[in-house]
Amino acid sequence: EDKVVQSPLSLVVHEGDTVTLNCSYEVTNFRSLLWYKQEKKAPTFLFMLTSSGIEKKSGRLSSILDKKELFSILNITATQTGDSAVYLCATTRGGSNYKLTFGKGTLLTVNP
Amino acid sequence: SAVISQKPSRDICQRGTSLTIQCQVDSQVTMMFWYRQQPGQSLTLIATANQGSEATYESGFVIDKFPISRPNLTFSTLTVSNMSPEDSSIYLCSSRQALTDTQYFGPGTRLTVL
Repeated sequence: EDKVVQSPLSLVVHEGDTVTLNCSYEVTNFRSLLWYKQEKKAPTFLFMLTSSGIEKKSGRLSSILDKKELFSILNITATQTGDSAVYLCATTRGGSNYKLTFGKGTLLTVNP
Repeated sequence: SAVISQKPSRDICQRGTSLTIQCQVDSQVTMMFWYRQQPGQSLTLIATANQGSEATYESGFVIDKFPISRPNLTFSTLTVSNMSPEDSSIYLCSSRQALTDTQYFGPGTRLTVL
């Protein structure tokens, strides 16, 4: 069974801090890793990573994948209160299934 | 990215009844999915809704409990049947962007069963 483990489970920081969220995985025939931000109900897509060592960046958020060590990190610099959310990591396998297997998420709280 | 709507956004139901959740995508998509998120838990895939054929269910989920329809490439429904309090969850539909693994999610339906 595929396993996706996120750490820490929760994190409290002050505005302006930089945070690093971790996601490790054990997935048979791994194909891709995705990061989502969940506020209230709907997860919103952040990044999809398929290749090792290539950083994806969007504003203050960035992410990188290490396929040798089987993990990914999501960095958020200069955090703002609007970054408070659950950050979810998910993986897919090769083939035509396209199922997302999610980790439990990291609850990030950014205090003013 | 696809824009997905769901309805209802929330409902409170009595045990033993059924609820049908609708999911509408603003463009034609080949693959739609239904996920469940129980309180304090992460998302778990219930089934893949296939257009023109029966849904593909994940281990632990059965068609009698969660019948799914997919009449065309933009619409799907999930029914939660014979509900019990354990079915209280957020139910989310998603669609897969063509040629990638990226899925976009609807706003979710928060179901409470009394």
